[in-house]
Amino acid sequence: GAGVSQSPRYKVAKRGQDVALRCDPISGHVSLFWYQQALGQGPEFLTYFQNEAQLDKSGLPSDRFFAERPEGSVSTLKIQRTQQEDSAVYLCASSFAGQGGQPQHFGDGTRLSIL
Amino acid sequence: QQQVKQSPQSLIVQKGGISIINCAYENTAFDYFPWYQQFPGKGPALLIAIRPDVSEKKEGRFTISFNKSAKQFSLHIMDSQPGDSATYFCAASNTGGGADGLTFGKGTHLIIQP
Repeated sequence: GAGVSQSPRYKVAKRGQDVALRCDPISGHVSLFWYQQALGQGPEFLTYFQNEAQLDKSGLPSDRFFAERPEGSVSTLKIQRTQQEDSAVYLCASSFAGQGGQPQHFGDGTRLSIL
Repeated sequence: QQQVKQSPQSLIVQKGGISIINCAYENTAFDYFPWYQQFPGKGPALLIAIRPDVSEKKEGRFTISFNKSAKQFSLHIMDSQPGDSATYFCAASNTGGGADGLTFGKGTHLIIQP
């Protein structure tokens, strides 16, 4: 399909391991967002890219979280030295234009479980 | 500080009835207010959105009512159907702030009883 694709859908890691989560946005979409959704809660903003530029990373909870979008399309969210509190669903969204107020289209997320 | 407060946390409505979910925001810089629907195991899907220059927007069975002075907005689902059973999130963003990350409410779990 032509939607936002995230992989893997599920990831189990031991505490202290590093993980990498991938997002393939809708083709041609300029803006890309990462959100974290804890169980039973609303998504919380992590970071925002416009093309390859990371314009806002104010929501990243610690310096263990790192995101990149080197060619302005695919993005990777990396979490180093994972902790149990990192367990959540990580959602990626993309939107067509760089200006605000454009609809954000979400993927189905990666469910991360830290043992 | 919770910037977008959503209520109720859960809601049960009979088939054919009207479902009403309310949200209140604190940041007066917010100028874009979407509602999302989420099914278990799926990502949120945009239902309808409004900007503060209008007080109401309708798309099919879904209507947003917006009260700028009260800093409140609500979602009305008319003729609610069992297929509408899902979790609904209101959200807000400041589109002129140089970034466009959405601030979400905590969600309303809606059940439509047949």
